[in-house]
Amino acid sequence: DAKTTQPNSMESNEEEPVHLPCNHSTISGTDYIHWYRQLPSQGPEYVIHGLTSNVNNRMASLAIAEDRKSSTLILHRATLRDAAVYYCILRRSGNTPLVFGKGTRLSVIA
Amino acid sequence: DVKVTQSSRYLVKRTGEKVFLECVQDMDHENMFWYRQDPGLGLRLIYFSYDVKMKEKGDIPEGYSVSREKKERFSLILESASTNQTSMYLCASRLTGHITEAFFGQGTRLTVV
Repeated sequence: DAKTTQPNSMESNEEEPVHLPCNHSTISGTDYIHWYRQLPSQGPEYVIHGLTSNVNNRMASLAIAEDRKSSTLILHRATLRDAAVYYCILRRSGNTPLVFGKGTRLSVIA
Repeated sequence: DVKVTQSSRYLVKRTGEKVFLECVQDMDHENMFWYRQDPGLGLRLIYFSYDVKMKEKGDIPEGYSVSREKKERFSLILESASTNQTSMYLCASRLTGHITEAFFGQGTRLTVV
């Protein structure tokens, strides 16, 4: 399985944008890029996914590099509620399970 | 809203006991998964199931078994609980397909004493 690399931790001020990077240099053409986050004392929750084009939804934006070897999850205005561990995951087609790395622990400072 | 419900939030069991962790989802999802989460090790896949009566081993199946008799229910069984199985257990479900999102339960924190 292709691996992802994320910084262990990041810090942001409240109401400022946050850019969470993910490197996936061995990504294959059929791998989708998924992002999940895990709030304290909760199970992970889906954030966003993409294949080649940038994606936006109500929670975040996903910017994917042209060569697809890296991507960035963008939280446009961080709130205290966004403090969580963010996981970048590559998914092949079919029923392959999600494989979680260590993720990035985001702290948001008021 | 999709719901994945795990039967217990906290559980304390004795070494050697047979332990059942239950997970129920209400959205007719084909795929279901069991993970455990430990500090410093992240989420690790124990078992998963593509459909009723089907099961596949994940990365750490030793000491565990599973049962999927009905589509909505996926049970994780610790045949003989040991202290190294003290952990947070998370269940997830999802429709078949590579772009579908997975939904997780709240987790069961199991302590084996």
